[in-house]
Amino acid sequence: GQNIDQPTEMTATEGAIVQINCTYQTSGFNGLFWYQQHAGEAPTFLSYNVLDGLEEKGRFSSFLSRSKGYSYLLLKELQMKDSASYLCAVRPYILTGGGNKLTFGTGTQLKVEL
Amino acid sequence: DTEVTQTPKHLVMGMTNKKSLKCEQHMGHRAMYWYKQKAKKPPELMFVYSYEKLSINESVPSRFSPECPNSSLLNLHLHALQPEDSALYLCASSREGGKDSYEQYFGPGTRLTVT
Repeated sequence: GQNIDQPTEMTATEGAIVQINCTYQTSGFNGLFWYQQHAGEAPTFLSYNVLDGLEEKGRFSSFLSRSKGYSYLLLKELQMKDSASYLCAVRPYILTGGGNKLTFGTGTQLKVEL
Repeated sequence: DTEVTQTPKHLVMGMTNKKSLKCEQHMGHRAMYWYKQKAKKPPELMFVYSYEKLSINESVPSRFSPECPNSSLLNLHLHALQPEDSALYLCASSREGGKDSYEQYFGPGTRLTVT
């Protein structure tokens, strides 16, 4: 089975830094994705990790430790518009028939306050 | 153009109706997906198409019938739905899979209500 856990909710202050954790236990691992989803909107891609280490992209960074089954998304210089749900998704295996199968975590609702 | 479009935005249907959801992308992606998302829950994969062929069916009830008429279009035909099928239906597309990242681009979704 697949088990991907994230905190349900987090609150942070504008201008601060927040770290959203994701732990996973999946039948296989071929990459981890982070998506942002504002209420009533489509998820949008933020980052991808397949090797251990940190990937940095502007105000967003994502870290992966495959041996620990652990990832985090780091958001710096928080802005009000960062209030959204953040979804961690694991690709357990490569599809032989084509396409990518993603299993999403429960999502973390981030609220940014003044 | 990195847009996936979906129509309609909202749909209300009775349990005896037949309707279709449509999805279109012009990014040259050869993999397309249908997801179902309930309120405050993550998206759940329903179907994957690769090169217009069904690659994955996640044990979805037969009242949902996908169709991929060409590389840009993806349909989801609905009939005899139940109230518990009410949800946001998301379409996504990506470059063909494999070891590369090939993130999925999502459409805005169709909000479906079954009465």
